[in-house]
Amino acid sequence: QKEVEQNSGPLSVPEGAIASLNCTYSDRGSQSFFWYRQYSGKSPELIMFIYSNGDKEDGRFTAQLNKASQYVSLLIRDSQPSDSATYLCAVRGNTPLVFGKGTRLSVIA
Amino acid sequence: DAGVIQSPRHEVTEMGQEVTLRCKPISGHDYLFWYRQTMMRGLELLIYFNNNVPIDDSGMPEDRFSAKMPNASFSTLKIQPSEPRDSAVYFCASSGTAAEAFFGQGTRLTVV
Repeated sequence: QKEVEQNSGPLSVPEGAIASLNCTYSDRGSQSFFWYRQYSGKSPELIMFIYSNGDKEDGRFTAQLNKASQYVSLLIRDSQPSDSATYLCAVRGNTPLVFGKGTRLSVIA
Repeated sequence: DAGVIQSPRHEVTEMGQEVTLRCKPISGHDYLFWYRQTMMRGLELLIYFNNNVPIDDSGMPEDRFSAKMPNASFSTLKIQPSEPRDSAVYFCASSGTAAEAFFGQGTRLTVV
């Protein structure tokens, strides 16, 4: 059973701070790693993907991957109230995307 | 492109009735996925198609669930008969590579 684990939160951070979201996965054969953002009542929206160990930056977002530790993280710099949402980690190996249950982030103004 | 289009957006039905959810994937995408999302279980893959062919339906919970993709631009997910525990948000997603998935707006199903 392929599993993706996330802390459900809520994770509360003040506006302007760095939010750190974490994810672990069980399948060592996983090849691709994704972060989706889901606002309440809306559909998941892809915000980042990473395939190789290390960091990948896109604007205020940085994805970090450590395959040896089977760990993926998402850092959001200069957090804004509009970043308040549920963040879903998704992992793909030889099967389609397997999602974690998500971490709810609340950015306090 | 208009993105993945699902209909209806909301469906309320009585237990025992047949429910049909519809999806139009992004043009040119070869993969189509049906997911179900609940608070308890999160986002679960029900079935996926590649080039209109069902590849893996191991996530379909019971024989009451069936899915078809008669052509590249249309898919349906049918529940017959529906039960209250089927209440959830059902998402259709499509992909050009089976890597990332682009989601439709979802259908919120309530079975009373």
